[in-house]
Amino acid sequence: GQNIDQPTEMTATEGAIVQINCTYQTSGFNGLFWYQQHAGEAPTFLSYNVLDGLEEKGRFSSFLSRSKGYSYLLLKELQMKDSASYLCAVLDSNYQLIWGAGTKLIIKP
Amino acid sequence: ETGVTQTPRHLVMGMTNKKSLKCEQHLGHNAMYWYKQSAKKPLELMFVYSLEERVENNSVPSRFSPECPNSSHLFLHLHTLQPEDSALYLCASSQGGDNSPLHFGNGTRLTVT
Repeated sequence: GQNIDQPTEMTATEGAIVQINCTYQTSGFNGLFWYQQHAGEAPTFLSYNVLDGLEEKGRFSSFLSRSKGYSYLLLKELQMKDSASYLCAVLDSNYQLIWGAGTKLIIKP
Repeated sequence: ETGVTQTPRHLVMGMTNKKSLKCEQHLGHNAMYWYKQSAKKPLELMFVYSLEERVENNSVPSRFSPECPNSSHLFLHLHTLQPEDSALYLCASSQGGDNSPLHFGNGTRLTVT
């Protein structure tokens, strides 16, 4: 079967750095997405990786290793507004999106 | 403003009721989706429409009936639901390319009593 694993919940301190991991086992790979979802709101697109390496976008970076079936989302200079759920999703060989259950990130002052 | 608007935001219905969820996208996208989101579970794809034609139905019970009258509007008609259907129902749209990101609405929080 196809599977996406990410931690259920993480806690970090304002101003710090946090890394949210995502590992996947899918039938084929055509890219990996990260979305952010604040409570009661729509998921919003953060990043898309299809090649190995790190892509930086402001305070957020996303890393991919296809050989390891692994990605992480790195959030720097954490702010209270970064408290949200972070969803990892993989496009499989049929271009179907396989979703993880999401990681709830709690930021403390 | 996400560009995708869903109404209502909250809905409470009995098991014998009939109701409809509405979604409208203002982004000029040609694909629209219904997802079900339950607590601590991955998003479940229910229906996909591309250019107003249904291209996917992931074994969704017939008590859920989608309708896509044009590329900007999507409905989900509900009837004789079960309590386990209580969830957040998210609508999304995309350009339709294989790796196009999804743009989601804020969802309808459905409670079936």
